[in-house]
Amino acid sequence: AQSVTQLDSQVPVFEEAPVELRCNYSSSVSVYLFWYVQYPNQGLQLLLKYLSGSTLVKGINGFEAEFNKSQTSFHLRKPSVHISDTAEYFCAVNRRQGAQKLVFGQGTRLTINP
Amino acid sequence: DTAVSQTPKYLVTQMGNDKSIKCEQNLGHDTMYWYKQDSKKFLKIMFSYNNKELIINETVPNRFSPKSPDKAHLNLHINSLELGDSAVYFCASSHFPDRIKGDEQFFGPGTRLTVL
Repeated sequence: AQSVTQLDSQVPVFEEAPVELRCNYSSSVSVYLFWYVQYPNQGLQLLLKYLSGSTLVKGINGFEAEFNKSQTSFHLRKPSVHISDTAEYFCAVNRRQGAQKLVFGQGTRLTINP
Repeated sequence: DTAVSQTPKYLVTQMGNDKSIKCEQNLGHDTMYWYKQDSKKFLKIMFSYNNKELIINETVPNRFSPKSPDKAHLNLHINSLELGDSAVYFCASSHFPDRIKGDEQFFGPGTRLTVL
């Protein structure tokens, strides 16, 4: 079975400051890793994903994440946030073999203050 | 053009009623999913279908019955609605299997179900 833990339920940040949203996962099998963003009253949009290769992956809207296999982490970062980044962020895993289903973390509410 | 669409967007109903939520995707995917997001924003898979066949059923009560008339549609019917069914229900779709894209799932806008 897989599980995902997002260590912070809420992260308040000032505009133009850097941010890191933390994600740790547990799995007995090899997985793919994802970050999704949910803007208020909207569906989920894929920010970025790690499949294989370089452990640093770049996504949309200036976000990037680093896969750390030894620490089973996949933290999301942005060097300078904007008011429009205010949203709920979800880390998720999906096993590489077998029936596909995303297992999500609890979400991190990112609030950008002016 | 909307990739994954759901109707209705909002659904308010009384306890005990039966209701349906419809989902359609125009991405040419062969796998579709239903997820439930509770009041604390936690997302959990309910069902997945591949080529109209059920492949995942995550111990969802029998009152929930998904139906896939074709690869592009996955509907969710709920009998005898209960207060605890209030949530946002998301439909998603993907290719399956897709070792290259890692099963990137595309989500619909969600249906907010409120049971009174």
